[in-house]
Amino acid sequence: GQQLNQSPQSMFIQEGEDVSMNCTSSSIFNTWLWYKQDPGEGPVLLIALYKAGELTSNGRLTAQFGITRKDSFLNISASIPSDVGIYFCAGPTLWDTDKLIFGTGTRLQVFP
Amino acid sequence: DAGITQSPRYKITETGRQVTLMCHQTWSHSYMFWYRQDLGHGLRLIYYSAAADITDKGEVPDGYVVSRSKTENFPLTLESATRSQTSVYFCASKDLYTEAFFGQGTRLTVV
Repeated sequence: GQQLNQSPQSMFIQEGEDVSMNCTSSSIFNTWLWYKQDPGEGPVLLIALYKAGELTSNGRLTAQFGITRKDSFLNISASIPSDVGIYFCAGPTLWDTDKLIFGTGTRLQVFP
Repeated sequence: DAGITQSPRYKITETGRQVTLMCHQTWSHSYMFWYRQDLGHGLRLIYYSAAADITDKGEVPDGYVVSRSKTENFPLTLESATRSQTSVYFCASKDLYTEAFFGQGTRLTVV
């Protein structure tokens, strides 16, 4: 079945630095979603992408839907301590769009 | 209160016991999902439902049972709990034109 692989697995950065993470799949997706999970909470939607090549921003966050439809990228500019958490990519599978699957996550730690 | 709620938040059970995790949403969303979260595996889909009385297997369904007799409820049952089912379980719901909203999770420990 379709799988989503995220990299890096974890990141330790200094406050103020920019962050980049990505999500790849061996098969295409028609929607890419990025969620953030704060410690002890459920994931919350950050950005949704619906078209190949689409670039969407949400404050300091920018995400792109890869042209091949097999990858997506999330960038965070000027990181702050509240950016700490786990970032997940997700998307409905191609053959069953009711089935929403998630990646393995990128754990972000921000040091002051 | 509006939203999606899971209960209990924490549960400790013994190997072999049956345990049911509850999920309730007040939006009348069509779709509901159960995921488990384990270190190194991200969120893995256990079961999902597109509407009342319609359920389907996800990536890791073995050892779990679900039902959806009412749109707002989607309970997950572990028929005979095993230690490998120790995990954090998340329920989510969505509608056709929204993306998924998650509950706060249930931390289950099987001893």
